[in-house]
Amino acid sequence: GAGVSQSPSNKVTEKGKDVELRCDPISGHTALYWYRQSLGQGLEFLIYFQGNSAPDKSGLPSDRFSAERTGGSVSTLTIQRTQQEDSAVYLCASSVNRDTNEKLFFGSGTQLSVL
Amino acid sequence: DQQVKQNSPSLSVQEGRISILNCDYTNSMFDYFLWYKKYPAEGPTFLISISSIKDKNEDGRFTVFLNKSAKHLSLHIVPSQPGDSAVYFCAASPNSGYALNFGKGTSLLVTP
Repeated sequence: GAGVSQSPSNKVTEKGKDVELRCDPISGHTALYWYRQSLGQGLEFLIYFQGNSAPDKSGLPSDRFSAERTGGSVSTLTIQRTQQEDSAVYLCASSVNRDTNEKLFFGSGTQLSVL
Repeated sequence: DQQVKQNSPSLSVQEGRISILNCDYTNSMFDYFLWYKKYPAEGPTFLISISSIKDKNEDGRFTVFLNKSAKHLSLHIVPSQPGDSAVYFCAASPNSGYALNFGKGTSLLVTP
């Protein structure tokens, strides 16, 4: 497809389990972002990848969160030992490069529910 | 701490009237300001932006005003249409290339 693709669209897990969320950015976009939106909150920045540069991990809330971007394309956000406060919509976005952050294209998100 | 604030969680406007959505920010380093629109079950989509060298940017029915001294921006939609009903997020960054800081959003309902 032409847009940012995220999977799964919904994920229900038990507290303490690990989860992996996938993002497939728009082809040719070198910048990739992960955000999350908890209930009643704004979009919270998590991590940012730009090409082959070291990612900006400054938004990751704890060391249970990690992300990889393989081959400069697909990205996986991993949450280990999930907690109930991790429940949120996790949004991935991409842009042509870091200098066009206003032209972020978002995926539809993954709704994560931790029981 | 929330650096971008949208103090009105919701707004209801009649079709044809003007919608005004407000946003305040605290970081004086912010230079780029943007509005995103989000429909349910979809990701946010870019609507309009403004840089700090301007105080107004217009795109069709949408106009964004920036008051840097007051650290305030607003989005005007005129005339409002039912299809404009969505959640509107204000966002800001210190420069192009930095991750955006988003507000909590304002849910706009345009009634026929």
